Amino acid sequence: DTEVTQTPKHLVMGMTNKKSLKCEQHMGHRAMYWYKQKAKKPPELMFVYSYEKLSINESVPSRFSPECPNSSLLNLHLHALQPEDSALYLCASSQDGRYVDIQYFGAGTRLSVL
Amino acid sequence: SQQGEEDPQALSIQEGENATMNCSYKTSINNLQWYRQNSGRGLVHLILIRSNEREKHSGRLRVTLDTSKKSSSLLITASRAADTASYFCATLMEYGNKLVFGAGTILRVKS
Repeated sequence: DTEVTQTPKHLVMGMTNKKSLKCEQHMGHRAMYWYKQKAKKPPELMFVYSYEKLSINESVPSRFSPECPNSSLLNLHLHALQPEDSALYLCASSQDGRYVDIQYFGAGTRLSVL
Repeated sequence: SQQGEEDPQALSIQEGENATMNCSYKTSINNLQWYRQNSGRGLVHLILIRSNEREKHSGRLRVTLDTSKKSSSLLITASRAADTASYFCATLMEYGNKLVFGAGTILRVKS
């Protein structure tokens, strides 16, 4: 099973809402990633978890809060977002948290902030 | 800033033709990877080439790496309509711990 599952597929939220994005993998991978992708742009790294510990935060605003409850799950909690945060949010995983190799991506969550 | 720059930005070819995309980067790398993204979907890993390799093949894909010129190319032979997608190169810097993606090439294969 080489699948990374993201839910929901689509999310519309107001600027005062609190919502969460969920990502799951059962490949035994020890590194998990959150990326943000705007239309016609490459993915931009937001956070990296390695062995369930936050190892990289790319200066992401605090209205985005990641959480890694266990080695298979990754959440992204959203609060008080801005319309410019509307984007495709991609989760990825890779085998070894100490060395970046092939990344396996989920299908993404399309987020619209009204 | 982005590590990799790709050209062309967009490429339109007929089915059966070959497609070549190029990627240039700025600093020494550990490996370079190519990913494909169908419209609005997740990325799919295509091929990885390490800094000590010069060429790799996978099915209809051929990747070359020239570390002296800090560039790579992806060749897709005998293209199909299903190859229509965006293609991104991504580099892992020599002492880095994250992939940095290039701007991408949009490939359209007309049937």
